[in-house]
Amino acid sequence: QITLKESGPTLVKPTQTLTLTCTFSGFSLSTSGVGVGWIRQPPGKALEWLALIYWDDDKRYSPSLKSRLTITKDTSKNQVVLTMTNMDPVDTATYYCAHRLAGMDVWGQGTTVTVSS
Amino acid sequence: QSALTQPASVSGSPGQSITISCTGTSSDVGGYNYVSWYQQHPGKAPKLMIYEVSNRPSGVPDRFSGSKSGNTASLTISGLQAEDEADYYCSSYTSSSTLGVFGGGTKLTVL
Repeated sequence: QITLKESGPTLVKPTQTLTLTCTFSGFSLSTSGVGVGWIRQPPGKALEWLALIYWDDDKRYSPSLKSRLTITKDTSKNQVVLTMTNMDPVDTATYYCAHRLAGMDVWGQGTTVTVSS
Repeated sequence: QSALTQPASVSGSPGQSITISCTGTSSDVGGYNYVSWYQQHPGKAPKLMIYEVSNRPSGVPDRFSGSKSGNTASLTISGLQAEDEADYYCSSYTSSSTLGVFGGGTKLTVL
């Protein structure tokens, strides 16, 4: 059974850097074709792609956020880490990580991040 | 503004069928067979319902079906049930991004 869980701060100040960790089980990120992605959802708004990392360390980023995002993986720890710099109140959202093989087929529960001074 | 256009809301009565559209361009929906649909209940994480236009993951009822014609993809739910009331999002691969793009979401109300 595949499971994923997001962790990180619930509150960050403007200009700070956000670091989120996705800890997963039930699959290996060294298996061909597998990826883990990050998606966020501001309150009452639509889903938005952030980043995706594949088993071969291929990394994909949202064009509009690319300069602020870094995605990495630690296969031995079964973790994927997303960092987002220069946080702003508009970045307040629920952040999800999800497993990708055919579509984003298993999602974590999400973690809510509020950006406020 | 979302790159894929969905109706803000649709509604139907139990037992009826409804269809949610997802309109893009030849650079996304029309150009690739990588359209997915997600169901999201309030306060919950999204759930994959359809991938690669018309494929259902294991465990998704066959009342849910997907199709595509030109630049528009569609999700059809037949035999509508109360538990189908949720938000639905489409997503597609796009040549303008190596990640893909989501639609703005459609709120389904079961009357």
